[in-house]
Amino acid sequence: DAGVTQSPTHLIKTRGQHVTLRCSPISGHKSVSWYQQVLGQGPQFIFQYYEKEERGRGNFPDRFSARQFPNYSSELNVNALLLGDSALYLCASSLVVHGDQPQHFGDGTRLSIL
Amino acid sequence: SQQGEEDPQALSIQEGENATMNCSYKTSINNLQWYRQNSGRGLVHLILIRSNEREKHSGRLRVTLDTSKKSSSLLITASRAADTASYFCASSNSGYALNFGKGTSLLVTP
Repeated sequence: DAGVTQSPTHLIKTRGQHVTLRCSPISGHKSVSWYQQVLGQGPQFIFQYYEKEERGRGNFPDRFSARQFPNYSSELNVNALLLGDSALYLCASSLVVHGDQPQHFGDGTRLSIL
Repeated sequence: SQQGEEDPQALSIQEGENATMNCSYKTSINNLQWYRQNSGRGLVHLILIRSNEREKHSGRLRVTLDTSKKSSSLLITASRAADTASYFCASSNSGYALNFGKGTSLLVTP
C-alpha cells in the first residue's frame, strides 16, 4: 500500500507570494495533520483535520489555512509568505483523530522563501 | 514552542555499542512516542508507550517512561550504521497534536 504522499517535494517562492501544499493520506486514514519543521528543530503542529472538519489548530498566524476534501486528501495554504516560513512541511495521517495512535508521515515539502 | 527536550543533542558511537537518548516533557500526557528521521525525509514511528506503562520493547528498542519525573528514555542496543538518524520524542495529552522535542542526532560509525 502507498504511504502518505506529498507534493511538490521542493518549492521556491519569494516573500509575499502564496503557496499551496498537497497531501494524500494512507488509504483508509481519515485524519490528516500538518507540521512545520524548521531546520534543526522538531516538528511543530499546525492543523489537524478529521472527516473534513478542523479538529485542532496550533499557534500559527491566520496566514496559514487548510482544508480536507471528501477523499480525505488535504491542502495547506500559506499567504503573504515570510522568510521565516522557510521550512520542511510534513503531513501525517492516522486512522482516528485522537493523539493515541501512531502518525504516518510523508517525506514533506521543502519550502524555501527568497 | 517545543514541549520537550531530548538529551543529548548529538551522540556519536561505534557499531555494536548501545545508544541511550533521554526526553523530558512539561505537562501530563496520555502517551509518549518516539520517531526516527533520516536526513531530509519524513518521520518514522518507532514505538508508543502509554502513561500507565513503565517499559516497552520492540526489537532492539527499549523505551522507559517515568511520569513522576516527566521523562522517557530510548535505548537502541547493538547499534548499526543504518541507525544513523535524528530521534524525536513526541508527547500527547489526549489532544490532537503531537508535541515534539528538538531531537537527538545519532551517528553510528562502522
